[in-house]
Amino acid sequence: QVQLQESGPGLVKPSQTLSLTCIVSGVSIGVGSDYWSWIRQPAGKGLEWIGRVFSSGSTSYNPSLRSRVTVSIDTSKNQFSLKLSSVSAADTAVYYCAREAKVVTSNWFDTWGQGTPVTVSS
Amino acid sequence: SSDLTQPPSVSVSPGQTANITCSGDKLGDKYVCWYQQKPGQSPVLVMYQDIRRPSGIPERFSGSNSGNTATLTISGTQAMDEADYYCQTWDRSTDVVFGGGTKLTVL
Repeated sequence: QVQLQESGPGLVKPSQTLSLTCIVSGVSIGVGSDYWSWIRQPAGKGLEWIGRVFSSGSTSYNPSLRSRVTVSIDTSKNQFSLKLSSVSAADTAVYYCAREAKVVTSNWFDTWGQGTPVTVSS
Repeated sequence: SSDLTQPPSVSVSPGQTANITCSGDKLGDKYVCWYQQKPGQSPVLVMYQDIRRPSGIPERFSGSNSGNTATLTISGTQAMDEADYYCQTWDRSTDVVFGGGTKLTVL
């Protein structure tokens, strides 16, 4: 059974960098055809995709966040990470990591972590 | 445009059929998936590639996608189906796109 677990600080100061890690169990993220994504959800609002990484280290990002986002993978630790720089209150949200199946022009997120709340405040 | 539009809310009586729509330009030319999210919980995939149900999702959930509208249909709606539902597609220019979500109330 594949499980994902987010970890990281729950409070980040404005202008600083938000850093989160997603530990994956039940599958080796270094093999296979799955992608590994980050998604966020402000309180009471909808879902926003942030970016993804493949086992090779190749990445894709939401164009609206691309200038501030880095997603990376550590296959030796079976985990992947998110860094979001220059944060503001608008980045306050629950952050989810998720396994993404991607087939040509189709994708879906079939396994999600429990989510970790991050507040940006001084 | 890659925007996906969902009605903010849909109400249905127990045992009846709920239809949750998701609209977008030429959406029928793309694949759509759907997520169910209950309060305080992570989203759960309930439909992918328009019509495919993941293992463990009840048969009362079905999907369709044609023209500019995708629809998630819940037949014989139960109280446990009350949740927020999000559609999602992939667009070559903007990559992953989510709809704004629909709150399904079973009353």
